[in-house]
Amino acid sequence: GQNIDQPTEMTATEGAIVQINCTYQTSGFNGLFWYQQHAGEAPTFLSYNVLDGLEEKGRFSSFLSRSKGYSYLLLKELQMKDSASYLCAVSYGGGGGNKLTFGTGTQLKVEL
Amino acid sequence: GAVVSQHPSWVICKSGTSVKIECRSLDFQATTMFWYRQFPKQSLMLMATSNEGSKATYEQGVEKDKFLINHASLTLSTLTVTSAHPEDSSFYICSARGGPGRYNEQFFGPGTRLTVL
Repeated sequence: GQNIDQPTEMTATEGAIVQINCTYQTSGFNGLFWYQQHAGEAPTFLSYNVLDGLEEKGRFSSFLSRSKGYSYLLLKELQMKDSASYLCAVSYGGGGGNKLTFGTGTQLKVEL
Repeated sequence: GAVVSQHPSWVICKSGTSVKIECRSLDFQATTMFWYRQFPKQSLMLMATSNEGSKATYEQGVEKDKFLINHASLTLSTLTVTSAHPEDSSFYICSARGGPGRYNEQFFGPGTRLTVL
């Protein structure tokens, strides 16, 4: 089976940096996604990691360690609009049948 | 590119009726579409995987006779909730894979909020 853990809530200050952690246990791992979801809306793609290391994309970076089953999403220069739920999702399976298992999401609140 | 639409965006129905939700990939052909359900303050739970022209594959615990999925073309999948009950009230989200993304990611529709009275 698949198991994903991430913190339920986090609070940070506008302009600061926040790191959202995700740990997972899965079989047939073939990548990890981070999505952003605002209340009542669909998730939007932020990042994808399949190899160990850091992927940087503007204010957002994502890190993966496959041996540790660990990833984090780093958000820099926080803005009020970054208040949202951040979902860690593990891709597993193969042969064209890749599926996603989502964590419960981390609700980030950005304050002044 | 990679736009996925859902219709309707919200629906209210009486208990016992059936509701159909459409998911369309507007600017790409989706080899696979997925249907998720999300209850308040919970994450997305995969219900089924749908490939064009073949039967959907349902996740454990999801009743295939209650949640009918049809994937008639590479741009359209439908989910029909049959004999809906209040416990079926949820946010239903579809996603499509096969678009222009670099990572074979899934592109999500805006979701359909179903309320069963």
